[in-house]
Amino acid sequence: QKEVEQNSGPLSVPEGAIASLNCTYSDRGSQSFFWYRQYSGKSPELIMFIYSNGDKEDGRFTAQLNKASQYVSLLIRDSQPSDSATYLCAVNTGGFKTIFGAGTRLFVKA
Amino acid sequence: NAGVTQTPKFQVLKTGQSMTLQCAQDMNHNSMYWYRQDPGMGLRLIYYSASEGTTDKGEVPNGYNVSRLNKREFSLRLESAAPSQTSVYFCASSEGSPGVQPQHFGDGTRLSIL
Repeated sequence: QKEVEQNSGPLSVPEGAIASLNCTYSDRGSQSFFWYRQYSGKSPELIMFIYSNGDKEDGRFTAQLNKASQYVSLLIRDSQPSDSATYLCAVNTGGFKTIFGAGTRLFVKA
Repeated sequence: NAGVTQTPKFQVLKTGQSMTLQCAQDMNHNSMYWYRQDPGMGLRLIYYSASEGTTDKGEVPNGYNVSRLNKREFSLRLESAAPSQTSVYFCASSEGSPGVQPQHFGDGTRLSIL
């Protein structure tokens, strides 16, 4: 059974701090990795995707991938109250099936 | 530009009833998906359609059927609803394989089965 694991949280950080969200996956054949943000009662929306080992930055967001350790993370710099949401890690092993983690709830305190 | 549109947004059914959830996308995407989301669990793939005219089972297909009506529309049918199918259902679409193309989600259908 392919698995994607995330700490359910809540992760609480003060406004302006760096929020660090982590995700591990079980299938070594995984090829692409995604972070989605989901506000309460809303649909998931894509924030970042990463395919290669290392870091990928987009504005305040940085995705980090370490395939040897089967680990992917999302850093949110200068966290804002509007970043408070559930963050879903998703992993694709090729083909049309993507495995989603249960998500980490982030709370940014003003 | 609506993106992915799901109807209905809310529905309450009795055990044994049937219903069809509708999904339409206006982005000319080739691939479409149905997921369910339950508390404490990730999105789980029910069925997908890689392209018009094809459908395949996902992780949790039992109790469901799908129809790819045309390139725009992908429906999910519950033939005999069971309380275990109470969930939030999301339809998604992507231009191609979700490994390289991001998925775009509809607003969801909140389904309760009594």
